[in-house]
Amino acid sequence: AQKVTQAQTEISVVEKEDVTLDCVYETRDTTYYLFWYKQPPSGELVFLIRRNSFDEQNEISGRYSWNFQKSTSSFNFTITASQVVDSAVYFCALSEAALDQTGANNLFFGTGTRLTVIP
Amino acid sequence: ETGVTQSPTHLIKTRGQQVTLRCSSQSGHNTVSWYQQALGQGPQFIFQYYREEENGRGNFPPRFSGLQFPNYSSELNVNALELDDSALYLCASSLRQGSYNEQFFGPGTRLTVL
Repeated sequence: AQKVTQAQTEISVVEKEDVTLDCVYETRDTTYYLFWYKQPPSGELVFLIRRNSFDEQNEISGRYSWNFQKSTSSFNFTITASQVVDSAVYFCALSEAALDQTGANNLFFGTGTRLTVIP
Repeated sequence: ETGVTQSPTHLIKTRGQQVTLRCSSQSGHNTVSWYQQALGQGPQFIFQYYREEENGRGNFPPRFSGLQFPNYSSELNVNALELDDSALYLCASSLRQGSYNEQFFGPGTRLTVL
């Protein structure tokens, strides 16, 4: 069974501080994909990053960075020098290998972490 | 913006009624997935449609049903509405090709059941 745990329900930081959002996942598949999405108050899910299970290389994209560690089943997300516009709910998600190898995969989401950046 | 549109934006229904939500997928996409997001929770997969047929379903009862049309747009129908059906309903479109297909989400329809 699949499970995604985001233990941090809410985080508040002062603008320009760094913040790390934690994500721990469970899956029996050896091939899977991990995601981070951002959901601003408007409700639309904004895709941030996708990693596959064979690629543990950490990634930096501007102020965002991700730390994927299979040994601890974690996929953490760090925002450097946070800004007020970063305030949103952030979701970690897992997708296992295609159900029937035709791409019918779906996303399993965590419960989200609400990030508030205080000016 | 992802190019995925949903209608209506908001909807209020009473318990026992039926509702239809609509989704227009991104141009060129042939697959639509529907998710339910209750307040304070992460989205939960309802089902997916590919080439007008249901292809994968989450843990939702049969009163949740859907359709996909030849232009790949989709509908989500919920019968006999219950109070717990109040949620944000998200659709996501993708192009089925290769081993993984990126999903692009619409803005959602917020359903309130009274």
